[in-house]
Amino acid sequence: AQKITQTQPGMFVQEKEAVTLDCTYDTSDPSYGLFWYKQPSSGEMIFLIYQGSYDQQNATEGRYSLNFQKARKSANLVISASQLGDSAMYFCAIHFSGSARQLTFGSGTQLTVLP
Amino acid sequence: GAGVSQSPRYKVAKRGQDVALRCDPISGHVSLFWYQQALGQGPEFLTYFQNEAQLDKSGLPSDRFFAERPEGSVSTLKIQRTQQEDSAVYLCASSLKGGKGRAYNEQFFGPGTRLTVL
Repeated sequence: AQKITQTQPGMFVQEKEAVTLDCTYDTSDPSYGLFWYKQPSSGEMIFLIYQGSYDQQNATEGRYSLNFQKARKSANLVISASQLGDSAMYFCAIHFSGSARQLTFGSGTQLTVLP
Repeated sequence: GAGVSQSPRYKVAKRGQDVALRCDPISGHVSLFWYQQALGQGPEFLTYFQNEAQLDKSGLPSDRFFAERPEGSVSTLKIQRTQQEDSAVYLCASSLKGGKGRAYNEQFFGPGTRLTVL
């Protein structure tokens, strides 16, 4: 069975510091896409970053970067220079090529940025 | 630009009532997904449409749940005889037709409908 795991239910970080949110997955599918979404308390899902399984370089989008280790099946999100507005729930999600194209989500990590 | 919209944003139903949740995807997006998100959990897949065809409904929890997209744009998720365990946020997402890479697989989410069954 394909599965995605976020082991950190909650994380705290000081403003302006960097933080890493963990995500591991289990699949035998060689082709897949990894997404990170942010969900503030208002409820909308906001796309942050994408990594394809065959991409040679780790993805970066502004203050967000992915530490993608394919052999270890991990795709950790790194947020640099945390801001108070980064406080939210963060979800790792995977699109498997063999599936009906839906995203499979982890259980999420609640990030709180402290002033 | 117009994103995915959902209505109503909040719905309170008495147990046993039927409800209908609406999703307007981004114009031109072929694929449409429904997810159910319980409190404090990640979204879970319910069903998937490509244009008007429902290609996967494996995530629908019971035959009380029904979804349609008759003209390949707006979709409605209907829940009959609601139960308390149906209380959740229902998210709709749309994306371009399948292919490889972010452009084809990124799903754009609506704000969700929060359903509370009393």
